[in-house]
Amino acid sequence: NAGVMQNPRHLVRRRGQEARLRCSPMKGHSHVYWYRQLPEEGLKFMVYLQKENIIDESGMPKERFSAEFPKEGPSILRIQQVVRGDSAAYFCASSPPRGVDGNQPQHFGDGTRLSIL
Amino acid sequence: DAKTTQPPSMDCAEGRAANLPCNHSTISGNEYVYWYRQIHSQGPQYIIHGLKNNETNEMASLIITEDRKSSTLILPHATLRDTAVYYCIVRANNAGNMLTFGGGTRLMVKP
Repeated sequence: NAGVMQNPRHLVRRRGQEARLRCSPMKGHSHVYWYRQLPEEGLKFMVYLQKENIIDESGMPKERFSAEFPKEGPSILRIQQVVRGDSAAYFCASSPPRGVDGNQPQHFGDGTRLSIL
Repeated sequence: DAKTTQPPSMDCAEGRAANLPCNHSTISGNEYVYWYRQIHSQGPQYIIHGLKNNETNEMASLIITEDRKSSTLILPHATLRDTAVYYCIVRANNAGNMLTFGGGTRLMVKP
């Protein structure tokens, strides 16, 4: 039973380039979440998506960041014109559709470590 | 979601039980208590969650006080591989889907 798969594990970009981070949820999971962890800090929620829909993007920076979860294929977190402050670990989590009580644990991938030169 | 308070660090001897406390005195009736841990350079790992009854699975036990204002995660026989940061998170079942991570407790299991 494969877990949440993220790639690449490490990504190096120069300032001004674009970064594309991919996340394949666990089998049967239709909900995807992205979190960012800055060095020596806790995880911060960025965005919550279901297939073809952004449900909650309250944690996403207003500019340069976008996310999608197409009908087919992985979820993509895209960062345009990267800056040094974007250096962080980006984690994806997935969960199945919510049960009757609304509670389903989120399961995390091992993240993409983005370094900006 | 309610705020949680955890000690920043704890030590535990290998083979002994690790008891990690969490205070959530402002918890609401529809909020669940979740525990995750993050081993260095890995993603957070789900451990257990509960509402008001004590819960047990293959990884740990969760003890929630009767007034639900605090809980304890118990690792019955800690191993060196249990060294990690443990996060206690409170989340309503009908709230937004984000998990709010605090500082957690850094558990060091020592030989």
